[in-house]
Amino acid sequence: GAGVSQSPSNKVTEKGKDVELRCDPISGHTALYWYRQRLGQGLEFLIYFQGNSAPDKSGLPSDRFSAERTGESVSTLTIQRTQQEDSAVYLCASTKPPGAGVGEQFFGPGTRLTVL
Amino acid sequence: KNEVEQSPQNLTAQEGEFITINCSYSVGISALHWLQQHPGGGIVSLFMLSSGKKKHGRLIATINIQEKHSSLHITASHPRDSAVYICAGNNNDMRFGAGTRLTVKP
Repeated sequence: GAGVSQSPSNKVTEKGKDVELRCDPISGHTALYWYRQRLGQGLEFLIYFQGNSAPDKSGLPSDRFSAERTGESVSTLTIQRTQQEDSAVYLCASTKPPGAGVGEQFFGPGTRLTVL
Repeated sequence: KNEVEQSPQNLTAQEGEFITINCSYSVGISALHWLQQHPGGGIVSLFMLSSGKKKHGRLIATINIQEKHSSLHITASHPRDSAVYICAGNNNDMRFGAGTRLTVKP
C-alpha cells in the first residue's frame, strides 16, 4: 500500500507568515511522529501522537509550533509567525500497532520549509 | 553531553570491507532504532531492537542493554551502502544520535 505522504514537498514563505504542514500516515498506523532536520544537522524530535492525543509536547521548539491529529489519521503541524531559524526539512513518521510510542518507523519524504 | 552518542562521525571504507558503527546512550529506552538516510534525504528504518541481535541481509545490529550500547555492522560493504546511519533511542519520544556518514569507495 501507500507509504507515509507529506504535503507540500516544498514551501517557501516570508518571515512572519503562518504555515501548515500535512502528514498522511500509513492507514492503520496508530502512532505518528513529527521531526525536524535543519540543514547539515541531525534529526530533532518535535512531537508524537498516540491516536489523536499527544502525550508529550515538550519537544516543540516554541509556542509558535502546534500540531494536531484527527481521526487517528492525518496530522498537521502549524508554525505561526515563522522565523528564519524555522527553515528545515520537517519529517513525519508513523508506526504500526501496537505502536504505544515504540515501533518501527515509516518515514515520509519530508517538507522542505524555507523562510525568507 | 548528548544522550545518544555515535562513533565515528565519518567513515570511509573500501568496497568489501567490514564496517562497524557504534552507538551509546545514557537514557532509559524501550527500543533502539537504526536508520539510514540516503544522500537524497529519504530515511529508511533498518532495525528496531530491544535486546540481542538482528540480521537483515548484509546488515547486523546488536544491543547490550546492560552496557547501553548498540552496534551496526555491514558485511561486504558496497558503494550503495554510502549513506548517513543514525541511531535513536525510543521511549515514546525519540533521541537521535548525530549520525555517521559512511562512504564506501569502489
